[in-house]
Amino acid sequence: AQSVTQPDIHITVSEGASLELRCNYSYGATPYLFWYVQSPGQGLQLLLKYFSGDTLVQGIKGFEAEFKRSQSSFNLRKPSVHWSDAAEYFCAVGAHDGGSQGNLIFGKGTKLSVKP
Amino acid sequence: DAGITQSPRYKITETGRQVTLMCHQTWSHSYMFWYRQDLGHGLRLIYYSAAADITDKGEVPDGYVVSRSKTENFPLTLESATRSQTSVYFCASSESARGPYGYTFGSGTRLTVV
Repeated sequence: AQSVTQPDIHITVSEGASLELRCNYSYGATPYLFWYVQSPGQGLQLLLKYFSGDTLVQGIKGFEAEFKRSQSSFNLRKPSVHWSDAAEYFCAVGAHDGGSQGNLIFGKGTKLSVKP
Repeated sequence: DAGITQSPRYKITETGRQVTLMCHQTWSHSYMFWYRQDLGHGLRLIYYSAAADITDKGEVPDGYVVSRSKTENFPLTLESATRSQTSVYFCASSESARGPYGYTFGSGTRLTVV
């Protein structure tokens, strides 16, 4: 069965600094991978996804993520963080065959704080 | 309005009462899901549905009931609410579980059981 680990519960970065949020997955084949963002009091919004091809994926709001098969990772990056990026970020993995429950498995999330 | 809407946004209920959370989507997505979000637990799947009249249990189904008589609606009922069911509940939908479709989430219902 697939699983997702986000090692960092909470990260604080300065506005304008670069950001990398880590995501490691466990799955026997090439998975579908997603990053979602949740602003306070809101639902989750899809930032980007990987399903095949180029391992560097561009998303909305200036985010990108790189799929590294050898490391089973799908880390999210942004070169310069804005105060509005403060939110919680969730990595998710989906199986090509729909998985045992036909749905995505989510990590527990990383909360990002941005200091002025 | 297009999208996925949940109602109510906030609800306070008493222990032992039945309460229903509503979810409506306008895309005719086949799959719909109910999650609860609690501090330290992330998102946990309660129930999901692959199509109208097809539902199945997720990770934490006890104390909850779902139905899906129409593709666009997927209500979640707490038959006899308990304090442990105080949480934020999210509904989501997807075109398919077999493919890189991802999910679209509603804005959530914050439920407090007193």
